[in-house]
Amino acid sequence: KQEVTQIPAALSVPEGENLVLNCSFTDSAIYNLQWFRQDPGKGLTSLLLIQSSQREQTSGRLNASLDKSSGRSTLYIAASQPGDSATYLCAVRHVGGKLIFGQGTELSVKP
Amino acid sequence: ETGVTQSPTHLIKTRGQQVTLRCSSQSGHNTVSWYQQALGQGPQFIFQYYREEENGRGNFPPRFSGLQFPNYSSELNVNALELDDSALYLCASSFGGSSTDTQYFGPGTRLTVL
Repeated sequence: KQEVTQIPAALSVPEGENLVLNCSFTDSAIYNLQWFRQDPGKGLTSLLLIQSSQREQTSGRLNASLDKSSGRSTLYIAASQPGDSATYLCAVRHVGGKLIFGQGTELSVKP
Repeated sequence: ETGVTQSPTHLIKTRGQQVTLRCSSQSGHNTVSWYQQALGQGPQFIFQYYREEENGRGNFPPRFSGLQFPNYSSELNVNALELDDSALYLCASSFGGSSTDTQYFGPGTRLTVL
């Protein structure tokens, strides 16, 4: 059974700091991995999607990596800003098309 | 904005009642998935519809049911509501029904069961 774990559960950093969010999964038979952002009480905004054949994806200040063999992904945020404060969720795409999510990392960037 | 809309945005029901939540897919998308997100948790997959047929289901009881219409909009129905059904319900649409399609999420419906 696929399980997705995100560490840490919460993170508080000063503005301008570079940070890394971690995601691990137990079954490497995935189609892709996706990182989402969720603001309080809101829906999910897709940030980056990495197909199983890819190693990383970049968008602006965000960089996501994928190591299928070790069951790990990281989301790197450069030069963090208060507007980056949100919950970040990773999800793996499994057989049958469903997404299996981690519990999220709640990020707070202090001015 | 993903182009996926959900209604209503908030809903309060009492235990034992029935509820219907609605989702309008992004234009051109023929696949809809529904997820339940309890407070402080990641979303959990309920089921997926592709071209009006259910083609995947998570670990939810039969009182959770759905429909997809010819225009690919969708409904989630929950019967005999329980307190633990209180959650944010998210729908996501995609095109093609394959396992590599990007899913686009709506803003969710917040259901409170008293």
